[in-house]
Amino acid sequence: GNSVTQMEGPVTLSEEAFLTINCTYTATGYPSLFWYVQYPGEGLQLLLKATKADDKGSNKGFEATYRKETTSFHLEKGSVQVSDSAVYFCALEPGSNYKLTFGKGTLLTVNP
Amino acid sequence: GAVVSQHPSWVICKSGTSVKIECRSLDFQATTMFWYRQFPKQSLMLMATSNEGSKATYEQGVEKDKFLINHASLTLSTLTVTSAHPEDSSFYICSATAQGEENYGYTFGSGTRLTVV
Repeated sequence: GNSVTQMEGPVTLSEEAFLTINCTYTATGYPSLFWYVQYPGEGLQLLLKATKADDKGSNKGFEATYRKETTSFHLEKGSVQVSDSAVYFCALEPGSNYKLTFGKGTLLTVNP
Repeated sequence: GAVVSQHPSWVICKSGTSVKIECRSLDFQATTMFWYRQFPKQSLMLMATSNEGSKATYEQGVEKDKFLINHASLTLSTLTVTSAHPEDSSFYICSATAQGEENYGYTFGSGTRLTVV
């Protein structure tokens, strides 16, 4: 079946530090890949996505590249801000049934 | 962009009562809506998928008689937790998509915190 594995948190960084949150997946076929962000007490917001191999999704300084050879979709940001503190979820959509499979989420805390 | 409104944002109810949660797509027609449950510090667990005008498809282990889902129109789906008990306390999140419309993707509501006392 489909699954998403992302690095366990929590991750604590200082402002302006470099961020990497690892995400690997298992899926049949060619899934679409997503990163969602959840701020405290809120629902999920789409951060970025990629729909095919070698695509790079980017938004608000965050980037992730769809790597089919390593089945990975790692999230990166060059300089984090306090406002980036949130839970980040990696997810895949297999393309056949529109159901998202989520990783367990990674809590990021950025200190000033 | 696409917006999904979910109400209420939080609710406290007594054990044995029922609670209804609404999920509305405000600016698009949602052919499919999804209901998730999220436990503290855990990922989202898909409970069911609903398509407008048809019965919801429940995931394995989800009690369909306890979690009633209605998707009567292309802009509204409801989740009713019947005879709620403290173990039903959780964060419930809906999402909606317009199948075939890649630009919409999946849009999530802001969630409902249910506390059963």
